[in-house]
Formats: sequence, structure tokens, C-alpha cells
Amino acid sequence: AQSVTQLDSQVPVFEEAPVELRCNYSSSVSVYLFWYVQYPNQGLQLLLKYLSGSTLVKGINGFEAEFNKSQTSFHLRKPSVHISDTAEYFCAVSSGSRLTFGEGTQLTVNP
Amino acid sequence: DTAVSQTPKYLVTQMGNDKSIKCEQNLGHDTMYWYKQDSKKFLKIMFSYNNKELIINETVPNRFSPKSPDKAHLNLHINSLELGDSAVYFCASSQAAGVRGTDTQYFGPGTRLTVL
Repeated sequence: AQSVTQLDSQVPVFEEAPVELRCNYSSSVSVYLFWYVQYPNQGLQLLLKYLSGSTLVKGINGFEAEFNKSQTSFHLRKPSVHISDTAEYFCAVSSGSRLTFGEGTQLTVNP
Repeated sequence: DTAVSQTPKYLVTQMGNDKSIKCEQNLGHDTMYWYKQDSKKFLKIMFSYNNKELIINETVPNRFSPKSPDKAHLNLHINSLELGDSAVYFCASSQAAGVRGTDTQYFGPGTRLTVL
């Protein structure tokens, strides 16, 4: 069985501030981890994914995430956010063809 | 070109009606999915098809029936609609199924279903 916990349901920040969205997972098998973003009234799109190798993963739009096996975490970070980063962010863990999503974190970037 | 498309985008209907949502992908992927996103934005897998074969069938009411006429299409038919079926339904596709678990899923824009 696998599960994902996103520790913050809402994260408000000011433009150009750094941000971290937290994600913890549990899985009894090999771990593949994903971050997806959902802009208002749109479908989800992949930000980045960890499959193996380097624990620091870089994604689109300046986002990066670090896989920490000992802490079972996969936190998403961006050093300087823009208004356009306002969206819902989902962490997910994969096992076979099944993606299990966390409950999402609403990132709101204020001017 | 749209990679994963869904029709309709909005669907408003009365309780007890039967409705269908269509999904098409032009990515050449082998696997397609249906997800339900509730009002709290929680996403849950409903079904998955690989090359027209059902591989994931979560605990959903029998009123929901997926149909895959070919590997580029996965439709969702819902009988006897209930108030609790109101949600956003997302179709997605990925390159392959099986034990890999590494493939990115590509999502459609969603269908917002409102049952009155």
C-alpha cells in the first residue's frame, strides 16, 4: 500500500519570496515520486519526477524537489515565485500503473 | 494540437439521467485512465485501460462503466446520476502500463459534471 501526505493545504507567499511545499510518502515497494501542478480550470501537468539517481530533481518553471529516503519526503521548492505560480500542487507516488495523489497544496502568490 | 481531449467540458444534468463523457488522446499511448476530483480537489483513480483491456477498476459504483473502443479512446458512461456524482472528471494517458510506474501521465482539461 502507498500513501502521500501533503502537510500544508494552503501556502500564501509574496511574489519573489522562496517557497517550499512539503510532501511525505509511504510505500512498501520501489518509490517513484511526482509533482504535478493544476492551474485554475485546467488539467494537471507534470512539474518533475524522481525515478532514481540524483536525489535533487529539477523541473519546469524553476521548481526543484529533493528526495529524502530516510525522512520519506519529497519536498518541492522554488527560490523566487511569480504571480503565475498560483495553482494547486499535487505530490504523487507511483506503483505500477497506479498513481496515488496527496490532497494538494494551494499555492497563492500575492503581489 | 491537443494531446488529451475531453468532451464535454461542462455537463449539467438532472438526477436519474444517464450521461457519457468522451476522451481521446493523440499521443500514441497504450494506457488511459479516468480520475474523479471532488470539491476538495482530492484526485482518485477510477479506471485504467491498457490496449483496450481493463487493468484498474477501483471501488466505484456499478453505475459507472468505462468503454474503450480503441487504445486512443476511453469513454465514461454514468447511469442513474446522483447528486454525489458531481465532480470534475479527468482523463489521462501514459506511454505504458505494467510494473514500471515511471511513466508520466498526461491529463485532459477535465469535465465538470453538475447533477441537480
